[in-house]
Amino acid sequence: ILNVEQSPQSLHVQEGDSTNFTCSFPSSNFYALHWYRWETAKSPEALFVMTLNGDEKKKGRISATLNTKEGYSYLYIKGSQPEDSATYLCAFLNAGNNRKLIWGLGTSLAVNP
Amino acid sequence: NAGVMQNPRHLVRRRGQEARLRCSPMKGHSHVYWYRQLPEEGLKFMVYLQKENIIDESGMPKERFSAEFPKEGPSILRIQQVVRGDSAAYFCASSPMGQIASGNTIYFGEGSWLTVV
Repeated sequence: ILNVEQSPQSLHVQEGDSTNFTCSFPSSNFYALHWYRWETAKSPEALFVMTLNGDEKKKGRISATLNTKEGYSYLYIKGSQPEDSATYLCAFLNAGNNRKLIWGLGTSLAVNP
Repeated sequence: NAGVMQNPRHLVRRRGQEARLRCSPMKGHSHVYWYRQLPEEGLKFMVYLQKENIIDESGMPKERFSAEFPKEGPSILRIQQVVRGDSAAYFCASSPMGQIASGNTIYFGEGSWLTVV
């Protein structure tokens, strides 16, 4: 059974703090790892798609790293702002013919002004 | 370029009634995915469709649930004889042909919330 785990489940930080959270996924049969940002009452929005071990991607103050050999990815937010408050989802895409995204439960981030 | 459109956004049904949820993919996208989010759970894959073709329905409950994506018009997720346990948020996503297979992103709609009373 393919399992994707995210930690912590929720996080409260002060405006200006930097923070990071983890996505763990199977280290075998890897094809890609997706990160999405999901604000309440909106649709999940793609942040990154990562495919190569050692990949590091950045979008503004948000960056992500990928370790496919040990099966984890970190998402970092530098200098958190209240508008960063959202649930951050990761999803593992398996290799092979029958590919589907397996989603973690997300990390819910609240940034206090 | 409009995003993925889902309707209705909210639907209330009594037990035993039918629920129909519609999804219009982004323009140019021919692949549609349906996900369900139950309370306190993550997104669960239900079905993956192309126009007039079900590619993968391994996440669909065996009974009462069906999905289609006709040549013309939106994709429809149909739940017959709804029960309280069907209450959930149903999300549709779309991608250009073969995008998910190449590891590229999919685009979500804002979801349809079904409440069964």
